[in-house]
Amino acid sequence: GQQVMQIPQYQHVQEGEDFTTYCNSSTTLSNIQWYKQRPGGHPVFLIQLVKSGEVKKQKRLTFQFGEAKKNSSLHITATQTTDVGTYFCAGLNDMRFGAGTRLTVKP
Amino acid sequence: DTEVTQTPKHLVMGMTNKKSLKCEQHMGHRAMYWYKQKAKKPPELMFVYSYEKLSINESVPSRFSPECPNSSLLNLHLHALQPEDSALYLCASSQPQGRSSGANVLTFGAGSRLTVL
Repeated sequence: GQQVMQIPQYQHVQEGEDFTTYCNSSTTLSNIQWYKQRPGGHPVFLIQLVKSGEVKKQKRLTFQFGEAKKNSSLHITATQTTDVGTYFCAGLNDMRFGAGTRLTVKP
Repeated sequence: DTEVTQTPKHLVMGMTNKKSLKCEQHMGHRAMYWYKQKAKKPPELMFVYSYEKLSINESVPSRFSPECPNSSLLNLHLHALQPEDSALYLCASSQPQGRSSGANVLTFGAGSRLTVL
């Protein structure tokens, strides 16, 4: 079945540095979603990408969907301490989540 | 109302107990989900209900028994659990799969943290 791989597993950055997490699928995805889970919290929907090559921005967050619809990335510019949490991609062909990237930010 | 409400927030039970986790949403969503999340791991899909019918069972042990009494409620009945079943149990809801842009966007509840002694 579909398997979504996500890297890196952990990322520790200094406040103000950029951060990127990547998702790769072994099969073509109909769409991909990104969620953020704060420590002690629950996953919260960030965005959904549907079209090949799609790029969407939310303030300092930039989301991309690959041309082949097999990979996606989330880039955060100039991280802040409020960005701390685990970022999950989810290939919603089958409602399964990637392993997540845990972001910690040093003030 | 854009919330998914889960009760209880915390539950401690012995291996011989019978308990239930409850989930409620009033967003008009017709798909509801149970996920299990262990520490530092992603949510792991357990069950999916679509239009009150069980559509996905991810080979979950029978000691977990889901129930969807109506379109707003989802229960997870627990019996004879093992200590390794201790985890955060997350309920989510969405519009069912389809062509609309909002389909499959999951709204999660805060979770029920289960400890099995």
